[in-house]
Amino acid sequence: GQSLEQPSEVTAVEGAIVQINCTYQTSGFYGLSWYQQHDGGAPTFLSYNALDGLEETGRFSSFLSRSDSYGYLLLQELQMKDSASYFCAVRGGSQGNLIFGKGTKLSVKP
Amino acid sequence: KAGVTQTPRYLIKTRGQQVTLSCSPISGHRSVSWYQQTPGQGLQFLFEYFSETQRNKGNFPGRFSGRQFSNSRSEMNVSTLELGDSALYLCASRKDRGLSYEQYFGPGTRLTVT
Repeated sequence: GQSLEQPSEVTAVEGAIVQINCTYQTSGFYGLSWYQQHDGGAPTFLSYNALDGLEETGRFSSFLSRSDSYGYLLLQELQMKDSASYFCAVRGGSQGNLIFGKGTKLSVKP
Repeated sequence: KAGVTQTPRYLIKTRGQQVTLSCSPISGHRSVSWYQQTPGQGLQFLFEYFSETQRNKGNFPGRFSGRQFSNSRSEMNVSTLELGDSALYLCASRKDRGLSYEQYFGPGTRLTVT
């Protein structure tokens, strides 16, 4: 089967750096992506890694290691508005469906 | 460019009834996917439509169905509603079916089954 594991909750202070890990198990792996969802809002796309390494987009970076079936989202210079749930997702399996992790709720404290 | 729109935003139905939800993708986007989001199960893939054809289907019973029209607008239908169908139903559109993960989600329809 396919599964993704990520921590359920993370707390950090404003200005700090936080890393949200994601491990996955799937056949036919096509890449790892990250989405952000604020309470009551829709998920919004953050990043996509198809190859090993680090992708940087402003304060956010995403890393992938295909040999370890592992990736992470790194958020720097945390701001209060970064308080949200973060989901990793992989497209895999025989049909290439997009499978989401259960999400990590990030709380940024002043 | 207008985003993905979903109607209605909120819906209350009774067990045993059926419901139809609507999704209008971003102009020019031909792929529409539907997801169910619940606190316990998270985001679960329902199905994907592209050019009026269902391309992928998740692990949901046959009570869940959908369709896509020639203008790429999509509807999903749930028949014989059960209490467990209470969820946020999200649709997402993307330009085509390549491996790009950049999907754009709508605000969702909050369905409550009583």
